[in-house]
Amino acid sequence: GESVGLHLPTLSVQEGDNSIINCAYSNSASDYFIWYKQESGKGPQFIIDIRSNMDKRQGQRVTVLLNKTVKHLSLQIAATQPGDSAVYFCAESGQAGTALIFGKGTTLSVSS
Amino acid sequence: GAGVSQTPSNKVTEKGKYVELRCDPISGHTALYWYRQSLGQGPEFLIYFQGTGAADDSGLPNDRFFAVRPEGSVSTLKIQRTERGDSAVYLCASSYMGGRADEQFFGPGTRLTVL
Repeated sequence: GESVGLHLPTLSVQEGDNSIINCAYSNSASDYFIWYKQESGKGPQFIIDIRSNMDKRQGQRVTVLLNKTVKHLSLQIAATQPGDSAVYFCAESGQAGTALIFGKGTTLSVSS
Repeated sequence: GAGVSQTPSNKVTEKGKYVELRCDPISGHTALYWYRQSLGQGPEFLIYFQGTGAADDSGLPNDRFFAVRPEGSVSTLKIQRTERGDSAVYLCASSYMGGRADEQFFGPGTRLTVL
């Protein structure tokens, strides 16, 4: 299953499905965006980033889409696996230049 | 190589006490950041060091919070007169140069509980 559009605090998918996690960012002047994965009891782990001069970037099984017009960011995970279960956060570079501003997290649950 | 380490992993203290939280960044990283993460929320920025100096401390909530990085490596976050509302996970991150697009590597955090 997939979920598009509005931010959802939780997303449950079956193993092998594609997942889409959405995020709205706050500052139209931000020019750098990152997706982090956070597993229970651990710090956030970098997944993929994108600069504002791009609208799409692909990694291994992950794709980030950036829509600057509506200040929207999405993370697509292909062939979701149980090991992908975690909380996912988007982050933007704040006006201070290097401090990250994190969005609301989405808890992804993948069932076998 | 070793990642960012934080000690202690858990700290329980009583209201009004003083606590120190330690962060060991990745060797060679000049930039160091502290964030605070409350339950169910994303991390919130506290302070950023470039070398030994605090380049941006705009996220510190009040003057009970203070951080140092005297030799440009290890950093200590200090909280005076702790309050129950200070309970959270305190995360440390480091990056190579501190540039806008430099990847920030996070430690596992210190879970602070103020009773």
